Amino acid sequence: DVVLTQSPLSLSVTPGQPASISCKSSESLLHTDGKTYLHWYLQRPGQPPQLLMYELSSRFSGVSDRFSGSGSGTDFTLQISRVEAEDVGVYYCMQGLHLKTFGQGTKVEIK
Amino acid sequence: EVHLVESGGDLVQPGGSLKLSCVASGFSFSTYWMTWVRQAPGKGLEWVANINPDGRQTDYVNSVRGRFTVSRDNAKNSVYLQMNSLRVEDTALYYCVRDVLFGRFDSWGQGTLVTVSS
Repeated sequence: DVVLTQSPLSLSVTPGQPASISCKSSESLLHTDGKTYLHWYLQRPGQPPQLLMYELSSRFSGVSDRFSGSGSGTDFTLQISRVEAEDVGVYYCMQGLHLKTFGQGTKVEIK
Repeated sequence: EVHLVESGGDLVQPGGSLKLSCVASGFSFSTYWMTWVRQAPGKGLEWVANINPDGRQTDYVNSVRGRFTVSRDNAKNSVYLQMNSLRVEDTALYYCVRDVLFGRFDSWGQGTLVTVSS
């Protein structure tokens, strides 16, 4: 089974400062079609998760351009250029190439 | 607008059974993969099962394989999760999710709560 390991597991950020979350996969998530099936989700308190980024670096509809995704193969990063109060919640990476697996989640809070 | 509404969650004893339902609206249901994701209280997300558009292909996480069955009725725009031999560790909020492609979960329901306890 594919394992996704996120770090850090929690993050406290000053508004306006950048933040970065790492996600490492036990197997490559690069498909033969050239796409990398690694996605990012945000779960705000009391809400269902919502899609942020898909296929490594594509922003979902309505997602702020403060969010960006990068990486390749087995190492991935979600970056927030300037954290805002509305970014509070738990961020999950998820792979969709080998069945489906979520990372453990990274809790982001505002200082 | 896409809507996914789950139902069927309940309190059930260990070893019991439960069937969850999810009714979809606002999109062409029969052309999408559908997925169930669960979240135990205070814990992270866990993918449970998925089903392809015509219902002929299903996949399961190891921990539920052989106990849970996912199915769909495209005429009713519905997807189901039959859960048998329930365990305490199956206690969770179960989300119905639309899968665009390879885990791109673009629409989520609000979830239905399953509690397994004696």
